[in-house]
Amino acid sequence: GQNIDQPTEMTATEGAIVQINCTYQTSGFNGLFWYQQHAGEAPTFLSYNVLDGLEEKGRFSSFLSRSKGYSYLLLKELQMKDSASYLCAVRSNTNAGKSTFGDGTTLTVKP
Amino acid sequence: GAGVSQSPSNKVTEKGKDVELRCDPISGHTALYWYRQRLGQGLEFLIYFQGNSAPDKSGLPSDRFSAERTGESVSTLTIQRTQQEDSAVYLCASSFTGGGPNEQFFGPGTRLTVL
Repeated sequence: GQNIDQPTEMTATEGAIVQINCTYQTSGFNGLFWYQQHAGEAPTFLSYNVLDGLEEKGRFSSFLSRSKGYSYLLLKELQMKDSASYLCAVRSNTNAGKSTFGDGTTLTVKP
Repeated sequence: GAGVSQSPSNKVTEKGKDVELRCDPISGHTALYWYRQRLGQGLEFLIYFQGNSAPDKSGLPSDRFSAERTGESVSTLTIQRTQQEDSAVYLCASSFTGGGPNEQFFGPGTRLTVL
């Protein structure tokens, strides 16, 4: 099975940098995803890591350490519109490639 | 549009009635998920279809819940004898399988209210 942990809530200031952590335990690892979900909307894909290291995509970066079962999502130059829930999901290489979501981290960006 | 579609967008029903929710995945996506999301909470996995494999039903909360998928196309989630605790947004997502990320694409959801 899989177990995914994220902080429930975080608060940061506009223009700052915030790091959202995700730790996981899985019986077989085949990729880690980050999704963003604004209130009242469906989740949308942000990033994907399958190898160790940092993937950068504009203001957002995602890091993975497979040996530690650890990932983080880094958001730079925070904007008010970044206030949302950030969901970590891990895909298994068993069970036909099923992905499992954590409970999400609600980020509030304050002026 | 080529996205995931769900219908109805909103459903209000009385306790004890059956409801059927529909999901049209993106064409060519072999994987399809159903999730439940209560207000202010995370995604609760319900069921996973992948090609011709037997579906993973491990998330269905009770035998009142069932889902079917016709080949690699439409899926329906049926809730029998609805209860007030079933009130939530039901999200469907599909993904491609093969090389690459194969991220999930979500539909807009069906908001179910059981009175």
